[in-house]
Amino acid sequence: DTGVSQDPRHKITKRGQNVTFRCDPISEHNRLYWYRQTLGQGPEFLTYFQNEAQLEKSRLLSDRFSAERPKGSFSTLEIQRTEQGDSAMYLCASSLGGGDETQYFGPGTRLLVL
Amino acid sequence: AQSVAQPEDQVNVAEGNPLTVKCTYSVSGNPYLFWYVQYPNRGLQFLLKYITGDNLVKGSYGFEAEFNKSQTSFHLKKPSALVSDSALYFCAVRAWNSGYSTLTFGKGTMLLVSP
Repeated sequence: DTGVSQDPRHKITKRGQNVTFRCDPISEHNRLYWYRQTLGQGPEFLTYFQNEAQLEKSRLLSDRFSAERPKGSFSTLEIQRTEQGDSAMYLCASSLGGGDETQYFGPGTRLLVL
Repeated sequence: AQSVAQPEDQVNVAEGNPLTVKCTYSVSGNPYLFWYVQYPNRGLQFLLKYITGDNLVKGSYGFEAEFNKSQTSFHLKKPSALVSDSALYFCAVRAWNSGYSTLTFGKGTMLLVSP
């Protein structure tokens, strides 16, 4: 049983550049979530997919952020025109749905914007 | 709106002693409650959850948590701490009748177990 995987694990970029992160959920999990975690804080919800449909987005998700899950399997999170304030750990999680609400998290992608 | 409070930034306990990490929550309606553990530079690992039923929930690695509806608390406990339990612990909540699955996390409590 493979868990949630994320790629890359680390990303360093310059302010103004675009970055894209990938998340592969546990197979057969139809729900996928993105969170952002900054130092000393718990994860903050960004967005949620059920299959390929993006059902909920946080107010934290500015128009520079976009997420997709085109075939209901893997997902990508893109940040355009990165800012230093985007530096954080980006976590992906998946859940089976259908009454099982347990979310299983990937290892995260740590982003540093210089 | 739903929220979680973890009143202690850090809990220190000696190996072999019992440990408690506190969590209180606020949510409309019945809650789903979760505990996760995070090791340095790693994602979150699921420990246990409360959805309904017995107020005492048992989870991974010998951890358990007690749901107390009147006190809106869900404290994490372990009878005998191990040094390897040292990590960052997060409590999370979502409303049971929410159409969506957004989890709200506390700020986390660092548990330090000394030999």
